[in-house]
Amino acid sequence: GAGVSQSPSNKVTEKGKDVELRCDPISGHTALYWYRQSLGQGLEFLIYFQGNSAPDKSGLPSDRFSAERTGGSVSTLTIQRTQQEDSAVYLCASSSPRLAGPTYNEQFFGPGTRLTVL
Amino acid sequence: AQKITQTQPGMFVQEKEAVTLDCTYDTSDQSYGLFWYKQPSSGEMIFLIYQGSYDEQNATEGRYSLNFQKARKSANLVISASQLGDSAMYFCAMRELNRGGNQFYFGTGTSLTVIP
Repeated sequence: GAGVSQSPSNKVTEKGKDVELRCDPISGHTALYWYRQSLGQGLEFLIYFQGNSAPDKSGLPSDRFSAERTGGSVSTLTIQRTQQEDSAVYLCASSSPRLAGPTYNEQFFGPGTRLTVL
Repeated sequence: AQKITQTQPGMFVQEKEAVTLDCTYDTSDQSYGLFWYKQPSSGEMIFLIYQGSYDEQNATEGRYSLNFQKARKSANLVISASQLGDSAMYFCAMRELNRGGNQFYFGTGTSLTVIP
């Protein structure tokens, strides 16, 4: 089946503008994650959604960042009043709710959105 | 404290040789999972191998094996017979299961370069 998809693949914006990044998880996956990866760095956790539970927003770096997940499927990460330090690749991942099997809690990653703030 | 520590920012290995990428973790949970991901220069994250905390045997997937030493809280990745296509960033990750959580913790990664 289809993997995790993200759009746009690349986004160039001007400082101060708002941007929206979209993630379509694998169908049936109840958990969805957003990460940020700055150039040459590891993955920085931003937020995760699990089914209908309240999201864990503990990784969001500032109140300019927000995310929502509609209908337990598609998620949108919004960055308001973008700053140059927001430039990074934003990765989305989803995982299965299954609780058995050798890779039952593997994350499947999307290709990422490369955000450049000028 | 860091949940996942990868102390080797960069590694080099001769083609066809084996290489070990180090990973140590920190958790008080009894139930957790350990993962390794590969990220080539193209940017996608590719799942390589998984080890559950209750698994008694080290996980193996083809040329990848995970050297799991629970008492030392280490989960090193061993790549045998290195190939040029193995050149990439490698990330170790952990998921703590007792808290019902889905949060994954990633290390800072190791850049592996395979030399012909």
